[in-house]
Amino acid sequence: ETGVTQTPRHLVMGMTNKKSLKCEQHLGHNAMYWYKQSAKKPLELMFVYNFKEQTENNSVPSRFSPECPNSSHLFLHLHTLQPEDSALYLCASSLSLRLAGGPTGELFFGEGSRLTVL
Amino acid sequence: DAKTTQPPSMDCAEGRAANLPCNHSTISGNEYVYWYRQIHSQGPQYIIHGLKNNETNEMASLIITEDRKSSTLILPHATLRDTAVYYCIVSPTGNQFYFGTGTSLTVIP
Repeated sequence: ETGVTQTPRHLVMGMTNKKSLKCEQHLGHNAMYWYKQSAKKPLELMFVYNFKEQTENNSVPSRFSPECPNSSHLFLHLHTLQPEDSALYLCASSLSLRLAGGPTGELFFGEGSRLTVL
Repeated sequence: DAKTTQPPSMDCAEGRAANLPCNHSTISGNEYVYWYRQIHSQGPQYIIHGLKNNETNEMASLIITEDRKSSTLILPHATLRDTAVYYCIVSPTGNQFYFGTGTSLTVIP
């Protein structure tokens, strides 16, 4: 139990569906992240939020739309996905994001949401 | 982008020390070395981090060379539950991590 909860754990959707992944953290952190892990590939950083503001979009296609209504919740809205988007989507949180000056705490990951696009 | 090089796989006998190497020859002066591990189909788990000095916690020890161009993660008494992919990452902030392919460690009974 890491204090980061992701739902749903498994999701199957068609290419024309709209669905959302949810992440909630109970750690009092202010930075939240979405990572994508495709089969046999390294984790790919997708989005970073710090105090509800997006600080990084790692060239992610617009069919993935993040939302961070507060520091405890992070969503990933999905629409018109492709089969190659099937992957494990991992949410993480940390104390806060600092551009310099040393670490502000490690990342705590959720268990992930396994997405299959048919 | 990942700035580290790790062997793709390693085996270790149960109960023995597992020594996982990492090369980070282009590390900057303000970058920390972090280690995470990922057990199959779970989220990565933080293990340890360091800047210059060797570090030890309840999970592992981290040995960083004097020139900081490489490091070794040591699991002193490996168990079957330590079978996982181990990631070595360098980061100035400890937040924006870019994971490489890591080392797949298999602990053998």
